[in-house]
Amino acid sequence: QQQVKQSPQSLIVQKGGISIINCAYENTAFDYFPWYQQFPGKGPALLIAIRPDVSEKKEGRFTISFNKSAKQFSLHIMDSQPGDSATYFCAASIEDQFYFGTGTSLTVIP
Amino acid sequence: NAGVTQTPKFQVLKTGQSMTLQCAQDMNHNSMYWYRQDPGMGLRLIYYSASEGTTDKGEVPNGYNVSRLNKREFSLRLESAAPSQTSVYFCASLTGTGGFGYTFGSGTRLTVV
Repeated sequence: QQQVKQSPQSLIVQKGGISIINCAYENTAFDYFPWYQQFPGKGPALLIAIRPDVSEKKEGRFTISFNKSAKQFSLHIMDSQPGDSATYFCAASIEDQFYFGTGTSLTVIP
Repeated sequence: NAGVTQTPKFQVLKTGQSMTLQCAQDMNHNSMYWYRQDPGMGLRLIYYSASEGTTDKGEVPNGYNVSRLNKREFSLRLESAAPSQTSVYFCASLTGTGGFGYTFGSGTRLTVV
């Protein structure tokens, strides 16, 4: 049973475009929602995270939008660059345990 | 550099062989985790250790054992490897300062033939 559902599985975006990845969860006890970025041959690295008491968090070109009532959150990458090409995982946590989405492979075309 | 170190990076085993994956962190974190990553399935928790001397099962513990040797080290053992255990294994420790989240190692790519 997948605790966090992520879509799309893969995404191709032109350079300068906006990349959007969506996640949904069921357990309302989750209290922390991070996004991880993974390059080939590397471990995932924390990119940006949000707590459910805010609806949006922005760090540079990366923004998390959080909709508590819909139990959904999304990652927006503005002005996408070829260097953003990677796999992105959303996650949700409760009591120091993290549950991950299945990942989105993003390719940014020059 | 501070972080999570995993060894080996690559391993090929024959069915039925055993091996131990090593993980060490030098950030003085209490909690450590073992995940496996498979295509289309994301990261699934195998075992975790909330503190030295304690371990608990995660989502997919069958076929694995763990040891929290001390605060720094958390090892994962496959007693009798099976082809279904072919995967990329990641160790992580829990970061409490700065961004709250995992610090992952670079992974061990295991193939069981």
